[in-house]
Amino acid sequence: ETGVTQTPRHLVMGMTNKKSLKCEQHLGHNAMYWYKQSAKKPLELMFVYNFKEQTENNSVPSRFSPECPNSSHLFLHLHTLQPEDSALYLCASSQNRDQPQHFGDGTRLSIL
Amino acid sequence: DAKTTQPTSMDCAEGRAANLPCNHSTISGNEYVYWYRQIHSQGPQYIIHGLKNNETNEMASLIITEDRKSSTLILPHATLRDTAVYYCIVRVSSGNTGKLIFGQGTTLQVKP
Repeated sequence: ETGVTQTPRHLVMGMTNKKSLKCEQHLGHNAMYWYKQSAKKPLELMFVYNFKEQTENNSVPSRFSPECPNSSHLFLHLHTLQPEDSALYLCASSQNRDQPQHFGDGTRLSIL
Repeated sequence: DAKTTQPTSMDCAEGRAANLPCNHSTISGNEYVYWYRQIHSQGPQYIIHGLKNNETNEMASLIITEDRKSSTLILPHATLRDTAVYYCIVRVSSGNTGKLIFGQGTTLQVKP
């Protein structure tokens, strides 16, 4: 139990669907992150939020839309995804951006 | 952030110490060495970090050479549950954007 919970754990969707990934942390952290892990590739940072404000967008396509309504919750809204977007999507949080990050167990996303 | 080099894979006998090396020859004076691991089907887990002194916690020990160009993560009594991919990451000590740059890591296989 890392204190970072991601739902759903698995998601299968068609390219025209709209779905959302949810991340919740119970650690009182102020920074939250989305990462993508494709097969056989290193983890790639997608977005960083600090005190609910987006501070980094690592050139992520607009079909991925993050939302951070408060410091405990982070969403990733998905729309019109491509097959190459199939991957493990990981959420993390940290006390601040200088501190170690705590990861959830991810959502395994498959695009048909 | 400085780049790191790790062996692709290592084996270790159960109950023995696992010593995982990492080269970071271009490390700067204000950069920490971080270690994370990722067990199959889980998110990465923070293990330990250090600047120049050796560090120890309940999970592992981190030995950093005097010139700081390399380090070794030591799992003193490896168990089968320590089988994972281990990532060595270098990042600045403050003013971070939050970005963690993961490489391919070392796949540690602990064998009975």
